Amino acid sequence: EIVMTQSPATLSVSPGERATLSCRASQSVGNNLAWYQQKPGQAPRLLVYGASTRATGIAARFSGSGSGTEFTLTISSLQSEDFAVYYCQQYNNWPRTFGQGTKVEVK
Amino acid sequence: EVQLVQSGAEVKKPGESLKISCQGSGYTFRSYWIGWVRQMPGKGLEWMGIIYPGDSDTRYNPSFEGHVSISADLSISTAYLQWSSLEASDTAMYYCARHVGLTSAWFESWGQGTLVTVSS
Repeated sequence: EIVMTQSPATLSVSPGERATLSCRASQSVGNNLAWYQQKPGQAPRLLVYGASTRATGIAARFSGSGSGTEFTLTISSLQSEDFAVYYCQQYNNWPRTFGQGTKVEVK
Repeated sequence: EVQLVQSGAEVKKPGESLKISCQGSGYTFRSYWIGWVRQMPGKGLEWMGIIYPGDSDTRYNPSFEGHVSISADLSISTAYLQWSSLEASDTAMYYCARHVGLTSAWFESWGQGTLVTVSS
């Protein structure tokens, strides 16, 4: 099973600042990586797939990059609605696996 | 509009059986994979398994195989997650979600979640 490790566990950022979230895979997953956002009491929402393709309706301030084992989700200028937990997921190998999440909180 | 609507919250005792559902609408149900994701209280997301309703091809995470069963009923565009004997550790929120294909296996649409509480 591929282990997905996200860092940091918690990221404290001020509104308007840039946030950089990392996701590392225990072995290469190519570009078969997705990012999700989850707010309290809500289902997750797809942000990025294919490591760097924004999902439909996702704001341009969200961008994904990376391939192989190292991936990054960048939020260029945090808005109030972006404070949430973010998960990465690999879909290259079975079983598909998620990272443990990064919580982005208000500094 | 694509919608996945899940059945309501359940409270069960250890050893009881349970079947929760996920009804799809706004798309061709048979043509998209439906997956199940567990989220234990205060924890992260866990990929449990998926089913392709068109031919009932089912894939499980080994961590869940044998403890849960995934099925689908094309006639009512509904997927199911089933337990024959619940344990307290099954207490969690369960989400269904759909993806297009095995190589396009990101979850693009999600249900609202079904909270399952198992307690004596």
